[in-house]
Amino acid sequence: QVQLQESGPGLVKPSETLSLTCTVSGDSISHYWGWIRQPPGKGLEWIGWIYYSGTTKYNPSLLSRVTLSLDSSKNKLSLKLTSVTAADTAVYYCARLGTEHSGRYLADYWGQGALVTVSS
Amino acid sequence: EIVMTQSPATLSVSPGERATLSCRASQSVSSNLAWYQQKPGQAPRLLIYGAATRATGVPPRFSGSGSGTEFTLTISSLQSEDFAVYYCQQCDIWPRTFGQGTKVEIK
Repeated sequence: QVQLQESGPGLVKPSETLSLTCTVSGDSISHYWGWIRQPPGKGLEWIGWIYYSGTTKYNPSLLSRVTLSLDSSKNKLSLKLTSVTAADTAVYYCARLGTEHSGRYLADYWGQGALVTVSS
Repeated sequence: EIVMTQSPATLSVSPGERATLSCRASQSVSSNLAWYQQKPGQAPRLLIYGAATRATGVPPRFSGSGSGTEFTLTISSLQSEDFAVYYCQQCDIWPRTFGQGTKVEIK
């Protein structure tokens, strides 16, 4: 059974860097992996995806601030978001992009999410 | 960026009744459309992809249809566990975008 678990600080100060890790178990790291966030009470927003080879794609709205990486030896994914503001307060999800349709990969396994609050 | 618009925002339905949710894309996404279900405090769950294909383990009471810019998710006979928020998501171009969600609540 594929399991994903996000971890990291739940509180980050404005202008600092948000860092989250996602630990993958029950599956190989040889997939596409995505990060999606959801502000409290609001809808979902794609942050970006990373392929196990290291190829990445970022949402243009976050391009200048986001970095995704992975450590295949530890089956871990990482998200870094710099210069955060209150608008970055959200539940952050990692997900496996494992279901494919016409060459597009869809999030079929998700972590439970990690709430990160940006506040001084 | 493709804007996805869902309607209605809230749908009040009695158990056993049929629910029809709509999703519109600001430009054609072909059949590159997925539906997700999200319950309070949980991560989204993939229900439908390719506009009409049920994901693994999804009951047949869930069906999707449409192509281009107009899509529908139908729940044929609502069960108690189906009351949740439903999101459509286009996976045609990057960045992928979600609709704002339709909340299906008990009438």
